Amino acid sequence: ELKVEQNPLFLSMQEGKNYTIYCNYSTTSDRLYWYRQDPGKSLESLFVLLSNGAVKQEGRLMASLDTKARLSTLHITAAVHDLSATYFCAVLWRNQFYFGTGTSLTVIP
Amino acid sequence: SAVISQKPSRDICQRGTSLTIQCQVDSQVTMMFWYRQQPGQSLTLIATANQGSEATYESGFVIDKFPISRPNLTFSTLTVSNMSPEDSSIYLCSARGVENSGELFFGEGSRLTVL
Repeated sequence: ELKVEQNPLFLSMQEGKNYTIYCNYSTTSDRLYWYRQDPGKSLESLFVLLSNGAVKQEGRLMASLDTKARLSTLHITAAVHDLSATYFCAVLWRNQFYFGTGTSLTVIP
Repeated sequence: SAVISQKPSRDICQRGTSLTIQCQVDSQVTMMFWYRQQPGQSLTLIATANQGSEATYESGFVIDKFPISRPNLTFSTLTVSNMSPEDSSIYLCSARGVENSGELFFGEGSRLTVL
C-alpha cells in the first residue's frame, strides 16, 4: 500500500517568514496534488504536478515535484495570516488518490 | 473544473438510523469517490463509486454498512446504515475531472453527528 507522509504535522510561523512543507511517498508516481482545507470547509485544489521537475507557483506558494526522490515540497514565502489552513498532498497511484497526513499551518501576526 | 453539490451539509442522527448523502456533479467526470474525514485527521477512502455497478470498497468498509449507488455519470449516493456514534464524521464526495490533469474535486462535505 502506498504511504504518503507529510512533515511537519503542525507548523506555527510568524508573518513574513519562509517555510517549506515536505511530502514523501513510498512508490513511483508522477502525479501529485496539493490541497488546502480551511476549518469546517472542504478541500480546495492548489496545485497539480504532472511530471518530474514540475514547479508551480501561485502567490506566496510554490510547489515542486521530484519523482526520483519521491518528494514534493510546498514552499511558503513571506507568510501572511490568510495562509493559515491545513495543507494536504495527494499522490495518484493505480487510479486512486492517497492523501498525506496533512500539515496544519498557523501564521502568527 | 467540476462543481460538486453535496447534501445534506450536516445532520444530527439517532443511533440505529440510516442516512443517505447525495452528490451531484455539474459536468462530465470520470471517477467518483467517497471519503471519510475524522476531525483533525486526513482523508480515508471509503469506496470508488462505479457507474451502473457495485462500488469498490476499501479495506474496513463494507457494502452493508455503506451502500453506494451511482446510477449515472454525475450522480452518486452514500448511505450510512445503522449508525452508531463512531460514524460521526465528515463524509466527502469527490470526482475526478476528464482533463489531462485528472484533478480531484470535492463537495462541501456532510458533517454527521450520531447521538
